[in-house]
Amino acid sequence: NAGVMQNPRHLVRRRGQEARLRCSPMKGHSHVYWYRQLPEEGLKFMVYLQKENIIDESGMPKERFSAEFPKEGPSILRIQQVVRGDSAAYFCASSPDSWGDTQYFGPGTRLTVL
Amino acid sequence: AQTVTQSQPEMSVQEAETVTLSCTYDTSENNYYLFWYKQPPSRQMILVIRQEAYKQQNATENRFSVNFQKAAKSFSLKISDSQLGDTAMYFCAFMKQGNTPLVFGKGTRLSVIA
Repeated sequence: NAGVMQNPRHLVRRRGQEARLRCSPMKGHSHVYWYRQLPEEGLKFMVYLQKENIIDESGMPKERFSAEFPKEGPSILRIQQVVRGDSAAYFCASSPDSWGDTQYFGPGTRLTVL
Repeated sequence: AQTVTQSQPEMSVQEAETVTLSCTYDTSENNYYLFWYKQPPSRQMILVIRQEAYKQQNATENRFSVNFQKAAKSFSLKISDSQLGDTAMYFCAFMKQGNTPLVFGKGTRLSVIA
């Protein structure tokens, strides 16, 4: 059973460009969480999605950030008009349908904004 | 809101020795889950151990064990027979009952010295 997949692993963007980060959950997992890790910090929750639905987006900035998890295909975290402060590692985690189950993490995408 | 505190930013331990990492948390919930994740230099988030709050027995996974004190809201991780491969950042995390986001501490950087 393949783990959580994220791509790209590294992404470089210039200020004002768009960044698209992809996450494919583990097989059989329908819950996806996105977290952001700033340098020397712990992970901070951004958004929680189930297939085709955003369940909780309380940690995601209202401007420039959006997320989706379509019926087919990976979950996507999209950052429009990136700024230097968006530079961070973005992690995706998935969990199965069972109540309170463990979240398993992907390898992360390191976004650098020049 | 839940908070997780790791009061030791850095620790070191001699190979084959035992080390304990501290974690305290604050919550008004009665049922919840606690985790320790390891983040080695590769930056992959790896689950080390998980504890359900309703279980009185402390969780163990090979060389890793926890001391869960629910009344004190304390959840420390003990690593026995430390190995060089244990060198990593260790994050304590809290999750409310159900499928909910993880709340992370700031982490403890552990160095295992040969």
